[in-house]
Amino acid sequence: NIVLTQSPATLSVTPGESVSLSCRASQSISTSIHWYQQKSNESPRLLIKYASQSISGIPSRFSGSGSGTDFTLSINRVESEDFSIYYCQQSYSSLYTFGSGTKLEIK
Amino acid sequence: EVQLVESGGGLVQPGRSLKLSCAASGFTFSDYNMAWVRQAPKKGLEWVATIIYDGSRTYYRDSVKGRFTISRDNAKSTLYLQMDSLRSEDTATYYCATLNGGPFAYWGQGTLVTVSS
Repeated sequence: NIVLTQSPATLSVTPGESVSLSCRASQSISTSIHWYQQKSNESPRLLIKYASQSISGIPSRFSGSGSGTDFTLSINRVESEDFSIYYCQQSYSSLYTFGSGTKLEIK
Repeated sequence: EVQLVESGGGLVQPGRSLKLSCAASGFTFSDYNMAWVRQAPKKGLEWVATIIYDGSRTYYRDSVKGRFTISRDNAKSTLYLQMDSLRSEDTATYYCATLNGGPFAYWGQGTLVTVSS
């Protein structure tokens, strides 16, 4: 199975800062990575698909990059509503896997 | 508007069975692959099973293979997950989700399954 390693586990930031969250795959997966946001007691929401493709309705401050094994979710000028947990997920293999998540918290 | 509404969760004893349902609306259900994803309390997301749009193929994570069965009724726009021989480690909120190619585009609100004696 393809293992996704997210780092850091927790990221403490001040609103207005820009941040980068990392997701590393155990093997090359081209751009078959997707990012989700999950707020407390809510269902996950798709933010970015195929590494860098935007999703309708998602604020433009969210962007993604990377290919192969290293991927990044960037948030430009974090807003208060962005403090939540972020997961990456791969679809290179039909046996989908998720990363363990990065919690974005207020400093 | 896409809606996915899960039902069927609850408290069940180890070794017993439970069947989850997911009623879909707002899109052409028969055109989409569908999946179940679960989340144990205070833990991360875990893909459980996938079913192709016409029901012709299914995929399962190793830990549920042989115990869980994903199925669908396209005439009723409903997705199912039959869970047999349940274990304490199956305790989780179970989400149904649409698969638009690789990503899980739409998610239901989830249904909680608790396996305990």
